[in-house]
Amino acid sequence: GNSVTQMEGPVTLSEEAFLTINCTYTATGYPSLFWYVQYPGEGLQLLLKATKADDKGSNKGFEATYRKETTSFHLEKGSVQVSDSAVYFCALSDGAGTASKLTFGTGTRLQVTL
Amino acid sequence: NAGVTQTPKFQVLKTGQSMTLQCAQDMNHNSMYWYRQDPGMGLRLIYYSASEGTTDKGEVPNGYNVSRLNKREFSLRLESAAPSQTSVYFCASSNLAGGPYEQFFGPGTRLTVL
Repeated sequence: GNSVTQMEGPVTLSEEAFLTINCTYTATGYPSLFWYVQYPGEGLQLLLKATKADDKGSNKGFEATYRKETTSFHLEKGSVQVSDSAVYFCALSDGAGTASKLTFGTGTRLQVTL
Repeated sequence: NAGVTQTPKFQVLKTGQSMTLQCAQDMNHNSMYWYRQDPGMGLRLIYYSASEGTTDKGEVPNGYNVSRLNKREFSLRLESAAPSQTSVYFCASSNLAGGPYEQFFGPGTRLTVL
């Protein structure tokens, strides 16, 4: 079956530091890949997505590249801000059948300090 | 355009009590989903509805029932609540036309079963 593995958190960084959150996946076929972000007390929001190999998703300074050869979709940001403190979830969708179900990683908590 | 709405936001139940969590979306999406979120476990799919009139079990359906009332609304019912059902519940919806199958999430319902 499908699975997503994320690096364990929490990740604590100083403001303006470089961020990488690792994500690897196992799936049959050609899944779409997503990063969702959850701010405290809120639901999940889509941060970025990629639908095929070598696609780069980007949003709000965050980037992730769909690497089929390493089955990875690592999230990066060049300079984090305190407002980026949240939980980040990597997910995949295989798009199979009539309802596409998402498989989530366990989430990585990011805390950014001044 | 409210997106996905959920009621209630918070609920405390005693063991054995029943309740229904309500979810509605105004994006004309075909598919809807119910997840639970527990610490260290990411999101796990409880039930989903590919389209109006259909429902299917997800990863953790035991102890729950669902109703797809119409295209907009998808409810989750706990018939006899147990402490193991203490969790945060999220509803999501998706439009499957053409992919990439991203899901849009509601703000969540925080449920405590005593």
